[in-house]
Amino acid sequence: AQSVTQLDSQVPVFEEAPVELRCNYSSSVSVYLFWYVQYPNQGLQLLLKYLSGSTLVESINGFEAEFNKSQTSFHLRKPSVHISDTAEYFCAVGGTSYGKLTFGQGTILTVHP
Amino acid sequence: EAGVAQSPRYKIIEKRQSVAFWCNPISGHATLYWYQQILGQGPKLLIQFQNNGVVDDSQLPKDRFSAERLKGVDSTLKIQPAKLEDSAVYLCASSRDSPEAFFGQGTRLTVV
Repeated sequence: AQSVTQLDSQVPVFEEAPVELRCNYSSSVSVYLFWYVQYPNQGLQLLLKYLSGSTLVESINGFEAEFNKSQTSFHLRKPSVHISDTAEYFCAVGGTSYGKLTFGQGTILTVHP
Repeated sequence: EAGVAQSPRYKIIEKRQSVAFWCNPISGHATLYWYQQILGQGPKLLIQFQNNGVVDDSQLPKDRFSAERLKGVDSTLKIQPAKLEDSAVYLCASSRDSPEAFFGQGTRLTVV
């Protein structure tokens, strides 16, 4: 069985400040890890993914996440946030069955001017 | 490449009524999923299809929910009769030979 815990339900930050959204997982098998973003009344959009190889993965809009196997974590970071980053972020873990994902509860990131 | 298409986007029904949602996955994607996302929670898998066969429906409330995938392409999820606690966003996703799933916009169901 797999599970995901997102440690913060809401994270308020000011524009241009750094942010970290925390994610811990548990799994008995090798995992694939994902961060999805959901804007209001929208579906889930893939932000970044760890499948194998380098433990540090980056998105095109400045987010990065690091897979830490010993701490079973996959925290999401951005050094300087924008108003447009306001959204809900979901961490997810996948295992042997492609696409079958277990999601965390979500973290609402609110960027204030 | 077109994304996952879902309809309708919104639906309001009274409890005990029935409702159906439709999903068209990305072309060539053999695997299709239905997720339920209750407000304030992460999505939860309801059912997984591989082509037109069910791989996992362990979390599907089979007394009221049903799903089918005709000819291994489009899929329909039905609820009959609906309960208040079925109010949620129903997300369809698809994948092909990859751990990554691509999601549709979802259908927001409100049961009153």
